[in-house]
Amino acid sequence: GENVEQHPSTLSVQEGDSAVIKCTYSDSASNYFPWYKQELGKRPQLIIDIRSNVGEKKDQRIAVTLNKTAKHFSLHITETQPEDSAVYFCAASDSWGKFQFGAGTQVVVTP
Amino acid sequence: DGGITQSPKYLFRKEGQNVTLSCEQNLNHDAMYWYRQDPGQGLRLIYYSQIVNDFQKGDIAEGYSVSREKKESFPLTVTSAQKNPTAFYLCASQGTSGSRGKDEQFFGPGTRLTVL
Repeated sequence: GENVEQHPSTLSVQEGDSAVIKCTYSDSASNYFPWYKQELGKRPQLIIDIRSNVGEKKDQRIAVTLNKTAKHFSLHITETQPEDSAVYFCAASDSWGKFQFGAGTQVVVTP
Repeated sequence: DGGITQSPKYLFRKEGQNVTLSCEQNLNHDAMYWYRQDPGQGLRLIYYSQIVNDFQKGDIAEGYSVSREKKESFPLTVTSAQKNPTAFYLCASQGTSGSRGKDEQFFGPGTRLTVL
């Protein structure tokens, strides 16, 4: 089955700097890669996603890149703000829709 | 944040008791999922259902049971056989967008279960 690894587990950045979180996956059949943000005590919410026919996608300060050959994808947050502090999860899914999540990255943005 | 609800928000259980967590969605989604979340371990899949009256075990199904009698509802029972049930439980539903296939999963607000 699919295995998703996510790094780093914690990430501390200065406000205004960039943050990068990386994930690798094992199943070449995976074709959908969402990123979720979870604030403390709340539900995970989708922030951006990418499908396997696209190499990069951007939405304001966040972007995701996908390298199908190497089986890895990354989340980039630019100009970080205190409200970006949260746990971020990557996931990989095949056409059946079942997700395999990474273990999460705790991002702390310090003023 | 509407569309998928879970109840109760907090649940306390004595050892040896079964307890059922509710999950309801009005998004007309076929697929529904149950996850368990423990600190530092991400989301682990317990059970999932792609269609009414059908469900499959996930990665950590032991000690849990589910039913899917209605499209809108996917209750999870935590049985006394579950060795360490204290955790945050998240339910999710997922739709399909034609040629794009399965879409994002929408999560409920979660139920925090504590075994006393």
